[in-house]
Amino acid sequence: DIQMTQSPSSLSASVGDIVTITCRASQGISNSLAWYQQKPGKAPKVLLYGASRLESGVPSRFSGSGSGTDYTLTISSLQPEDFATYYCQQYYSTFYTFGQGTKLEIK
Amino acid sequence: EVQLVESGGGLIQPGGSLRLSCAASGFTVSSNYMGWVRQAPGKGLEWVSILYSGGSTYYADSVKGRFTISRDNSKNTLYLQMNSLRAEDTAVYYCAKIRSGWCDYWGQGTLVTVSS
Repeated sequence: DIQMTQSPSSLSASVGDIVTITCRASQGISNSLAWYQQKPGKAPKVLLYGASRLESGVPSRFSGSGSGTDYTLTISSLQPEDFATYYCQQYYSTFYTFGQGTKLEIK
Repeated sequence: EVQLVESGGGLIQPGGSLRLSCAASGFTVSSNYMGWVRQAPGKGLEWVSILYSGGSTYYADSVKGRFTISRDNSKNTLYLQMNSLRAEDTAVYYCAKIRSGWCDYWGQGTLVTVSS
């Protein structure tokens, strides 16, 4: 299976900050990457797919980039509702895998 | 409107069996890839099983030989039969509709607790 490694595992930031989360795959995944946001007690919600394509209804302050094995999720101008845990997921291989998650907390 | 509603979770003793159901509406289960994802308490997301529209299945190594994913087209429902349950299977189980590899819709989750 392809291993996905996210960094950092946790992050403190303030409202209005720009935040970047990184996801590294154990082999190239050709932009077959999605990002999810999960709030406590709730199911995850997809934010981006294809590494950089914004899901319908997701605010444009969320963006994604990357290629090969390295990908990033950027949140520009953090809002109070953005404090949550974020996961990347590859769908390049037959069995999809998630990163271990990044918990974004209020500073 | 797409909806996924899971049921069937609960408290079960080690070695026991449970069947989770995921009733879908707003789309056709058999025409889509569907999957089960679980989340142990305080932990991250873990893929459990995927059922492709053509009928092929895939399982995580941790559940292979113990869990079976299936669907009932007449009921538009996805299932996960879980046998020989272990303490480490304790988790919230989510069913998800998969669009080209990513999950675009999720159920609310059902908690499975394996404990004596």
